[in-house]
Amino acid sequence: DAGVTQSPTHLIKTRGQQVTLRCSPKSGHDTVSWYQQALGQGPQFIFQYYEEEERQRGNFPDRFSGHQFPNYSSELNVNALLLGDSALYLCASSLGAGGVSDTQYFGPGTRLTVL
Amino acid sequence: GQNIDQPTEMTATEGAIVQINCTYQTSGFNGLFWYQQHAGEAPTFLSYNVLDGLEEKGRFSSFLSRSKGYSYLLLKELQMKDSASYLCAVRDGTDSWGKFQFGAGTQVVVTP
Repeated sequence: DAGVTQSPTHLIKTRGQQVTLRCSPKSGHDTVSWYQQALGQGPQFIFQYYEEEERQRGNFPDRFSGHQFPNYSSELNVNALLLGDSALYLCASSLGAGGVSDTQYFGPGTRLTVL
Repeated sequence: GQNIDQPTEMTATEGAIVQINCTYQTSGFNGLFWYQQHAGEAPTFLSYNVLDGLEEKGRFSSFLSRSKGYSYLLLKELQMKDSASYLCAVRDGTDSWGKFQFGAGTQVVVTP
């Protein structure tokens, strides 16, 4: 049973550029959430996708956008990159059924460095 | 506002017990989760509490008091591999799909 996968593993960009990160959820999961984790901090919620729509969003600017495909995989796009966007970006998938069944399972993350 | 507090770091000896406390103030509550995160790796799920009381899972136990906005994770018979960051997360709101709010994590250092 494949877990959550993310690509790429590492990425280096320069300020002002745009980046796309990809996530495939755990088999059977239909909900994908994206998090940003700065060094030494807990993950910060960016947004969540369900049925190809953004269901809820954290306190992140519009430069952060996403998409979910019919196969439940998802992309995170960040435009006009800033130095402060350097972080580990985590994707988590869940079943959306509530209770412990809605536990979020995390992928290995994409380490983004903005120079 | 939203706030989840946990100690920054704890040190304990191999074989000992460590208790990591977490207090929270969120706009809603729909479950509390504990995750373990080794350096450079993804968080992995440890435990889930939604009702008051203790949940035991092998060497790990988690306790919740909703009226006090308080939880703890108890790690027993510590092993060197338990050295990691432990994240407390609250699923807020009233919907089963509420977003997760994470604490900053508690770094546990296990010494020989």
